[in-house]
Amino acid sequence: DIQMTQSPSSLSASVGDRVTITCRASQGIGNNLGWYQQKPGKAPKRLIYTASGLQSGVPSRFSGSGSGTEFTLTISSLQPEDFATYYCLQHNSYPWTFGQGTKVEIK
Amino acid sequence: EVQLVETGGGLIQPGGSLRLSCAASGFTVSTNYMTWVRQAPGKGLEWVSVIYSGGSTHYADSVKGRFIISRDNSKNTLYLQMNSLRAEDSAVYYCARGFNGPLGDWGRGTLVIVSS
Repeated sequence: DIQMTQSPSSLSASVGDRVTITCRASQGIGNNLGWYQQKPGKAPKRLIYTASGLQSGVPSRFSGSGSGTEFTLTISSLQPEDFATYYCLQHNSYPWTFGQGTKVEIK
Repeated sequence: EVQLVETGGGLIQPGGSLRLSCAASGFTVSTNYMTWVRQAPGKGLEWVSVIYSGGSTHYADSVKGRFIISRDNSKNTLYLQMNSLRAEDSAVYYCARGFNGPLGDWGRGTLVIVSS
């Protein structure tokens, strides 16, 4: 199975900060990676598909990059509504696997 | 507008069976690939199963041989038949539609509690 190691597991940041979350795959997955945002009590929502594709309706302050084994989700200027938990998902091979999540909290 | 509504969750004893449904609107289930994902209380997301438009299916090792994913094209509904349930199957179960990659649209989830 491919292990997805997400870092950090949590972070504290202020509104306006630039935030970067990283996912590392235990083996190459091409660009078969998505990023998801989940707020408490809500279903997850996709932000990024195929590593760098911005989901329709998602603000442009979110961006994804990377390929192979290292991937990054960047929020260029953190907004109050962005405080949530973020997950990466590899769908290159079965079983699909999620990172353990990164909780973004208010500083 | 795409909508996914999961139903069928509840309290079930260990060893029991439950069938979850995911009613879709705004698109055709049979021409998309559909996924079940679960989330145990306070934990992260776990992929469970996927079914493709051609009918092929894949499962997580943790549910292989116990869970069956299927769909009813006439009802535009996705199912997850869960057998031999264990305490560790307790979770919110989400269905999701794949486009531009998996899990593009999600339902709100249905809670399954396996307990005596």
